[in-house]
Amino acid sequence: GQQVMQIPQYQHVQEGEDFTTYCNSSTTLSNIQWYKQRPGGHPVFLIQLVKSGEVKKQKRLTFQFGEAKKNSSLHITATQTTDVGTYFCAGSDKIIFGKGTRLHILP
Amino acid sequence: DTGVSQNPRHKITKRGQNVTFRCDPISEHNRLYWYRQTLGQGPEFLTYFQNEAQLEKSRLLSDRFSAERPKGSFSTLEIQRTEQGDSAMYLCASSPWGADTQYFGPGTRLTVL
Repeated sequence: GQQVMQIPQYQHVQEGEDFTTYCNSSTTLSNIQWYKQRPGGHPVFLIQLVKSGEVKKQKRLTFQFGEAKKNSSLHITATQTTDVGTYFCAGSDKIIFGKGTRLHILP
Repeated sequence: DTGVSQNPRHKITKRGQNVTFRCDPISEHNRLYWYRQTLGQGPEFLTYFQNEAQLEKSRLLSDRFSAERPKGSFSTLEIQRTEQGDSAMYLCASSPWGADTQYFGPGTRLTVL
C-alpha cells in the first residue's frame, strides 16, 4: 500500500540555524499537506502543495513539491524557539501521514 | 470558539469496558475524519465520513471499533471491550467541501488500565 516516509526522525539545531525535513511517497500524490504539532498539542495545518515543482513560502518557511509529485520538503530559515514541534507531511490520496520530524531547538 | 471540539478530553477506563468519544466538527464542514495517534507516531487514519456516509474505514480498525455520524454533524467513536493496546490519543478532524485541508480537534486521550 501507499507509504509516506519522512526523514530525519529527529533534528536538533542551534537557534538561528536552518532546518530541513523531507517527505517521500511510494506513489504519486495529487497533493501534499504539511502540518505542525507542538508538544502536547494537535496537528495544525500549514500548507497544501498541488502542482508539480511548486514552491511556496510562509515567512521563514519554504515548501517544495517535487517534479514527480512523490516527494516534498520543508525548509526553515534561521530557526527560532517557536519552531519547536513535530512537522508532518500528509499525502491526501489515502490520508496517509508520515511519522513526522521532531525539531528541537538548542538555545 | 468555532473550531473542532472533542469530548471528553481524557478518559481512563479498565480493560474490557466500552468507551464512546464525541467529535463536533466545524460548522458546515461536510467531511469528518478519525485518527489515532500514539507517542512518537503520526496520526493513523481510522475512518472518514462525508456528511452522514462512512466512506472509508482503515483495515486497522477492528470490529471492536465503530463510528457514526447520524445527522452529518457530530460524530461518535465507540470502542468495545477495550484493550491496553487501545491506549492512545484519538483525534478528530474536519474539512470543508472541496478542500483537503483538515482542521484537527484537541483529541481525546484514552488510557486503558
